[in-house]
Amino acid sequence: SQQGEEDPQALSIQEGENATMNCSYKTSINNLQWYRQNSGRGLVHLILIRSNEREKHSGRLRVTLDTSKKSSSLLITASRAADTASYFCATDERNNDMRFGAGTRLTVKP
Amino acid sequence: DAGVTQSPTHLIKTRGQQVTLRCSPKSGHDTVSWYQQALGQGPQFIFQYYEEEERQRGNFPDRFSGHQYPNYSSELNVNALLLGDSALYLCASRFQGSGNTIYFGEGSWLTVV
Repeated sequence: SQQGEEDPQALSIQEGENATMNCSYKTSINNLQWYRQNSGRGLVHLILIRSNEREKHSGRLRVTLDTSKKSSSLLITASRAADTASYFCATDERNNDMRFGAGTRLTVKP
Repeated sequence: DAGVTQSPTHLIKTRGQQVTLRCSPKSGHDTVSWYQQALGQGPQFIFQYYEEEERQRGNFPDRFSGHQYPNYSSELNVNALLLGDSALYLCASRFQGSGNTIYFGEGSWLTVV
């Protein structure tokens, strides 16, 4: 069963703009991870945020986690055409395997 | 250091046939999981193997089975293939324990005709 649910389902922006994607989940988690997937390829790990963390940065990526609202957001700053991909959040509950949402399809127009 | 490797990358099977997909985990990883990803959907968890045993299973029928070898490599077997089994099958590995990053292979595209 799915755990993370991304919002919006699709997002289209111009190069240089910021992109924000949201993720909601249902149960208590140990950590939450964001992944990127280019069309038809494997998933690439972007960032992991633990349940006791509120914000994390990695390059142009900023992830926040609000466990009280069971939600997370991924911000990509100064987007590039190469950022065009699908982005998934995945939750890790009770040392179990990851559960994914349906993803956000991001298109960055040059 | 090779990451997670999967084979084959693409294959076509006929309804009712059986298929075996293979995965070698990233060096140092002992836990392998398999996911099914239909077109336009997120990955769905099939099962996880650790210490050569199936430790967790998602909502998939018994037609889906697996195996893990002493060198941690793994196989996914699907029997009596249905058209709906057409999907990208992803293998992921990690070192057992909560909070460890999971790494994915490039996947095996299965088309059932």
